[in-house]
Amino acid sequence: SYELTQPPSVSVSPGQTARITCSADALPKQYAYWYQQKPGQAPVLVIYKDSERPSGIPERFSGSSSGTTVTLTISGVQAEDEADYYCQSADSSGTCWVFGGGTKLTVL
Amino acid sequence: EVQLVESGGALVQPGGSLRLSCAVSGFTFTTYDMHWVRQATGKGLEWVSGIGKAGDTYYAGSVKGRFTISRENAKNSLHLQMNSLTDGDTAVYYCARGGPNGFDYWGQGTLVTVSS
Repeated sequence: SYELTQPPSVSVSPGQTARITCSADALPKQYAYWYQQKPGQAPVLVIYKDSERPSGIPERFSGSSSGTTVTLTISGVQAEDEADYYCQSADSSGTCWVFGGGTKLTVL
Repeated sequence: EVQLVESGGALVQPGGSLRLSCAVSGFTFTTYDMHWVRQATGKGLEWVSGIGKAGDTYYAGSVKGRFTISRENAKNSLHLQMNSLTDGDTAVYYCARGGPNGFDYWGQGTLVTVSS
């Protein structure tokens, strides 16, 4: 089955840049999506189609793609960005979806 | 304002059945794919099932043959019929609006607990 691999945790100090990677185990890679989830809340979409930002999401959130790896970058991290982040993509048919295991972002 | 409100979560015994519902408002329901995503306590997100605008259905391997997704367009509602439930199905179940731009709106979730 299709798998997406994320680091379990990333830690940064306020104002620094956080990078969270997500690696797919096969080609072709479909578009990737990123979600932020804070404790007790539903996930929120922060990046779609690898690098597009939904309205209302701060500009410090950006996404990029290279080969089978996508990266979520948060520039100038703020305390409020502390959350779990999940990448998501679809299998080759585009009909079944997969989430990465999630990355806990800690703001020191 | 887009809203998705799940209901139907409960405590159920192993082997039992449960039907979840998701009432949506604030957008044209018939023009969007819809999905169910679940999350066990302290664990990550797991896509469960999706249904297209035309009613085509898709399932994760872990639930195929046990769960059935459906949509009731006249009532702007999404459903998930869950049969042969096991401990592994214990989770918060979210409904989410899908599309080419990802799962852009989510409900707050409903808790399903499978336990004897």
